[in-house]
Amino acid sequence: ETGVTQTPRHLVMGMTNKKSLKCEQHLGHNAMYWYKQSAKKPLELMFVYNFKEQTENNSVPSRFSPECPNSSHLFLHLHTLQPEDSALYLCASSRRGEETQYFGPGTRLLVL
Amino acid sequence: SQQGEEDPQALSIQEGENATMNCSYKTSINNLQWYRQNSGRGLVHLILIRSNEREKHSGRLRVTLDTSKKSSSLLITASRAADTASYFCATDAGDYKLSFGAGTTVTVRA
Repeated sequence: ETGVTQTPRHLVMGMTNKKSLKCEQHLGHNAMYWYKQSAKKPLELMFVYNFKEQTENNSVPSRFSPECPNSSHLFLHLHTLQPEDSALYLCASSRRGEETQYFGPGTRLLVL
Repeated sequence: SQQGEEDPQALSIQEGENATMNCSYKTSINNLQWYRQNSGRGLVHLILIRSNEREKHSGRLRVTLDTSKKSSSLLITASRAADTASYFCATDAGDYKLSFGAGTTVTVRA
């Protein structure tokens, strides 16, 4: 887990707030992912970045806005979220051409 | 979209016993992976099996894959309290995008 870090680990926000989640990988990978994990549901892939370019947006609402300034950092900007957006948000990274993904510890988000 | 489905949803075993969980999927795959998640934490990769492989071992883990039945199983032998976690199968169709199931929650009782 120490290869991929996420901050903050916990976040409580109101529906009118704007916040950002941060992910950093120290593994020299060039692909990064955001997943949403809700209670008793499978992980949902949200976004994929390869070499800083977004290659997948899995029909995610525009209130979630990703940013990948370089291959080591990934952000998820949040604004005007809904209570149903409360979940564990997981970041992962991989080396392009390799199938295994390495996950961070996640950010537990609660939207009030 | 969900590809893998694990069975059972929950499993409770005594320490030292074996734990077996199954995964079924719908479409063709390049590989299938198993991950473990401790409560509220990130996922940890356990093992990957490719579509042309039938069985793979890693320590106390044994994974099988039957592409004709579109199913896989994960066996944990001689379970320990530290094996208490949720286990997920994830399929990769060759596009490096993993599709996860809802997971099997394993509780190992001391």
